[in-house]
Amino acid sequence: NAGVTQTPKFQVLKTGQSMTLQCAQDMNHEYMSWYRQDPGMGLRLIHYSVGAGITDQGEVPNGYNVSRSTTEDFPLRLLSAAPSQTSVYFCASSREYGNTEAFFGQGTRLTVV
Amino acid sequence: RKEVEQDPGPFNVPEGATVAFNCTYSNSASQSFFWYRQDCRKEPKLLMSVYSSGNEDGRFTAQLNRASQYISLLIRDSKLSDSATYLCVVRGKNDYKLSFGAGTTVTVRA
Repeated sequence: NAGVTQTPKFQVLKTGQSMTLQCAQDMNHEYMSWYRQDPGMGLRLIHYSVGAGITDQGEVPNGYNVSRSTTEDFPLRLLSAAPSQTSVYFCASSREYGNTEAFFGQGTRLTVV
Repeated sequence: RKEVEQDPGPFNVPEGATVAFNCTYSNSASQSFFWYRQDCRKEPKLLMSVYSSGNEDGRFTAQLNRASQYISLLIRDSKLSDSATYLCVVRGKNDYKLSFGAGTTVTVRA
């Protein structure tokens, strides 16, 4: 009963390094998304995907790339980490739009030094 | 203006008390409304959807006021376990994307 699985849970990067945050879901959901959460702010949408092969930008896409080669996986790539990307990152999936529940992964706490 | 705005609190209440708080949204075309609960350093989880007619789930009551563009959450007979941050979430019509408020923190004390 995994749901949405994110790895890693914690990560420290140096400025300029790149890395990929992994997200996988086993519920056959079409819609997946990445959010970042910063103190005093709501979750902000980075990128989203409405199905395999389809991705689009959210509210704060700069510095991040995504791909969706399968229904299950939606990795988030940080191209060149900056201290401003220090945040908690959540991956989420849902079955479809409308009045349906979004399921979140446990989050990745990223610190860029 | 933020799409979804919430009073950050914190609301500090004794066990057994009733606590209520609102959230306002700016997009009049919004169609789906939710309250999510987030425990400290954990992921958000759905608490309840909010329907036009209002709805209850045990000690929790949610209301929607489309004319004034706000939703509310009321918690009756507060328990220690209700201590959390409550996130107001809004989705537009035919839209996958969710807009989140920054959250209202509730602390229930013994």
